[in-house]
Amino acid sequence: DGGITQSPKYLFRKEGQNVTLSCEQNLNHDAMYWYRQDPGQGLRLIYYSQIVNDFQKGDIAEGYSVSREKKESFPLTVTSAQKNPTAFYLCASKPGQGYNEQFFGPGTRLTVL
Amino acid sequence: GQQVMQIPQYQHVQEGEDFTTYCNSSTTLSNIQWYKQRPGGHPVFLIQLVKSGEVKKQKRLTFQFGEAKKNSSLHITATQTTDVGTYFCAYMEYGNKLVFGAGTILRVKS
Repeated sequence: DGGITQSPKYLFRKEGQNVTLSCEQNLNHDAMYWYRQDPGQGLRLIYYSQIVNDFQKGDIAEGYSVSREKKESFPLTVTSAQKNPTAFYLCASKPGQGYNEQFFGPGTRLTVL
Repeated sequence: GQQVMQIPQYQHVQEGEDFTTYCNSSTTLSNIQWYKQRPGGHPVFLIQLVKSGEVKKQKRLTFQFGEAKKNSSLHITATQTTDVGTYFCAYMEYGNKLVFGAGTILRVKS
């Protein structure tokens, strides 16, 4: 996990505002992922990207957007359309095909007031 | 959505007791992974199993993949306070997607 950074650790926003969460990795990994974690529900996949300039929706993509303009960066925007945005957001990465282990960043805890 | 069921959801044990969490699927899995998340932390990869009937050990932790590749278990012998956290199973789906179980929360009383 040492090569993945997420900032900030805690984030507070007012309802109706868009907010972008940062995720950077220096592991030279091809694939990157965003998960949302709520108490008792495990990790749910929001978006993932297998290569630069390409990404796919996960199970709960509504109200979120991403970009993958650089291999090392995969920012997540939580839009005002997300009805319940308060959660713990985790970014992960893994090497390309043939490697299944995912490496997680420390997470960002977003609270929308 | 999640296609692996983890039980129990929560377990509170006395230090020194054993602990087991189970992961069950209705379909055959190509692989199963286990992660540990400490309170306030992020998931950390523990192990991956890919072969039918595979058993792997890491010190006090024993991981097993069922013969039919539809279930897996994680067993901790003689729990310690450092074992507290949430244990997740996960499997790699088509398209490089990792699907997680809901996790088992382990608390250890000293």
